[in-house]
Amino acid sequence: SQKIEQNSEALNIQEGKTATLTCNYTNYSPAYLQWYRQDPGRGPVFLLLIRENEKEKRKERLKVTFDTTLKQSLFHITASQPADSATYLCALDMDSSYKLIFGSGTRLLVRP
Amino acid sequence: NAGVTQTPKFQVLKTGQSMTLQCAQDMNHEYMSWYRQDPGMGLRLIHYSVGAGITDQGEVPNGYNVSRSTTEDFPLRLLSAAPSQTSVYFCASSRDRGRDQPQHFGDGTRLSIL
Repeated sequence: SQKIEQNSEALNIQEGKTATLTCNYTNYSPAYLQWYRQDPGRGPVFLLLIRENEKEKRKERLKVTFDTTLKQSLFHITASQPADSATYLCALDMDSSYKLIFGSGTRLLVRP
Repeated sequence: NAGVTQTPKFQVLKTGQSMTLQCAQDMNHEYMSWYRQDPGMGLRLIHYSVGAGITDQGEVPNGYNVSRSTTEDFPLRLLSAAPSQTSVYFCASSRDRGRDQPQHFGDGTRLSIL
């Protein structure tokens, strides 16, 4: 069956370090992969989208990679700040059915 | 610009009751969807709509109905509430049905079924 996996354990890092979050998928062939941020009690907020023919995408301190051979995306936050503490979700499109499927998210904690 | 507005923010129901969760967007978006979020299970797609008058099922549609009579509104109806429907419900919209479209989410409705 189709599956998206994100590390369920929280990632705890020191301020200033680079945070790296992983999104793995099986039995999908997505054309696009998206990353969202979710704060407690709020809805997810879109951060970045990467296409299958793009290896890497950057936006300010954020970087996303997409390896269709490994079926994996990595999400990096450089020079992390306590304000980056949140849950980060990856999402994949399901072929041509207009459905966006989400992973369960990874919680990031950045210590001052 | 309000974006996606969900009402109510909180609701407690008894088993067997019915209710409608409201969702409205003011961005003239074609595509709208409903998700439920449960601990450890992420967001699961309930129903979606690619335009007014067109709806389709997602991953977990049982026990829920939707309709899309206008571009702006996409209500979600619980027909006969069950404790298993206790969850946080999110409505989302995007400009069109394109697979590369970012989703705009509301802040959710927290629903408890006793």
